[in-house]
Amino acid sequence: DSGVTQTPKHLITATGQRVTLRCSPRSGDLSVYWYQQSLDQGLQFLIHYYNGEERAKGNILERFSAQQFPDLHSELNLSSLELGDSALYFCASSPGQLSNTGELFFGEGSRLTVL
Amino acid sequence: QQPVQSPQAVILREGEDAVINCSSSKALYSVHWYRQKHGEAPVFLMILLKGGEQKGHEKISASFNEKKQQSSLYLTASQLSYSGTYFCGTERPNDYKLSFGAGTTVTVRA
Repeated sequence: DSGVTQTPKHLITATGQRVTLRCSPRSGDLSVYWYQQSLDQGLQFLIHYYNGEERAKGNILERFSAQQFPDLHSELNLSSLELGDSALYFCASSPGQLSNTGELFFGEGSRLTVL
Repeated sequence: QQPVQSPQAVILREGEDAVINCSSSKALYSVHWYRQKHGEAPVFLMILLKGGEQKGHEKISASFNEKKQQSSLYLTASQLSYSGTYFCGTERPNDYKLSFGAGTTVTVRA
């Protein structure tokens, strides 16, 4: 158990719909990262928040948005869903910036299926 | 920009060795290695900062050649538990993100 909690674990929805994925980082961790992993694919970086502020953005679609709240939990909002958005979405947390603290702690992921 | 990993897959018998390579076209600040078993989350193995250091985790070690922007992960005397997909993650200076390669699937057979 990494200490990172993601909900829901599984989600099935239809095209055109909107979903929200939630991530609670490890206690004390200020950084939250979101990654997308499609079937048998690598980990695609979406976005990084540090203490409530956006620090880095990857190739995140305009239909996707995220935020980190004052209590440090984070939400990833996916709208106008398409079949290709079906994937495993991972949240990871770390105490601070990457190289200063090293390890990213990954949650178990939220598996999204768009039908 | 994502790093390039090779090979894509490797099959080993217990006790055999393997090397996984990771390269970037951009200057790197650090290289991270993770292992993901099927249906599970990625798990951190080690981080290498620029300086050419080498680190180890059990019988798994890695090196980082800062000048060539390349890192290699060495699986020595492989065990069944080493099976999984290995990802290298690269961090560039002031980038604040970890970009992962496509992964190398390692299968260790008895």
